Amino acid sequence: DGGITQSPKYLFRKEGQNVTLSCEQNLNHDAMYWYRQDPGQGLRLIYYSQIVNDFQKGDIAEGYSVSREKKESFPLTVTSAQKNPTAFYLCASSISRVQKETQYFGPGTRLLVL
Amino acid sequence: SQQGEEDPQALSIQEGENATMNCSYKTSINNLQWYRQNSGRGLVHLILIRSNEREKHSGRLRVTLDTSKKSSSLLITASRAADTASYFCATDASLNAGGTSYGKLTFGQGTILTVHP
Repeated sequence: DGGITQSPKYLFRKEGQNVTLSCEQNLNHDAMYWYRQDPGQGLRLIYYSQIVNDFQKGDIAEGYSVSREKKESFPLTVTSAQKNPTAFYLCASSISRVQKETQYFGPGTRLLVL
Repeated sequence: SQQGEEDPQALSIQEGENATMNCSYKTSINNLQWYRQNSGRGLVHLILIRSNEREKHSGRLRVTLDTSKKSSSLLITASRAADTASYFCATDASLNAGGTSYGKLTFGQGTILTVHP
């Protein structure tokens, strides 16, 4: 099956801890995105990557970091600098640098702070 | 404030009725998209309408776009209980230096639709 997978489904973070959320796609898409969703809210863009080894900050990048070493993988690290990390995190991808209109979403990871 | 704002925030209807959701935005766009999200799940793309299009259909979905009013509407006809979900509009207003989109979407806060059997 083609698609986007995110793991884990639930993640618990202790105070001062960095945690990494996984996002993998086998759709052969060039572009990948990370969004944060708070209860009752829309999605806000954290980081995006148009191609391997390249990524740009979105609207709320502070306290987060990413890497794009492989086309199929775009992990997100929530650092200790992110003071309010509790949220639902969604990863998405789109076809190419030119045709990047429709985004395909993974099932999400819910991050909770202990 | 967000580029896309939806109205109403919540909509409750009976099965078989039509559901209409509206989206307003502030800047010029390349395209506008509608997505659906079931509770606790990822988003699913429903339909995309480009800035030079006025209306688009897909099954029971009808989307209109009025660029002069910077607004769009999503109509779901003959609704079913399975249509219960949150619906988001997303605008693509991003431009590379070369004048092409780089695919950055801005999402509205969504409309929660409940369809009662």
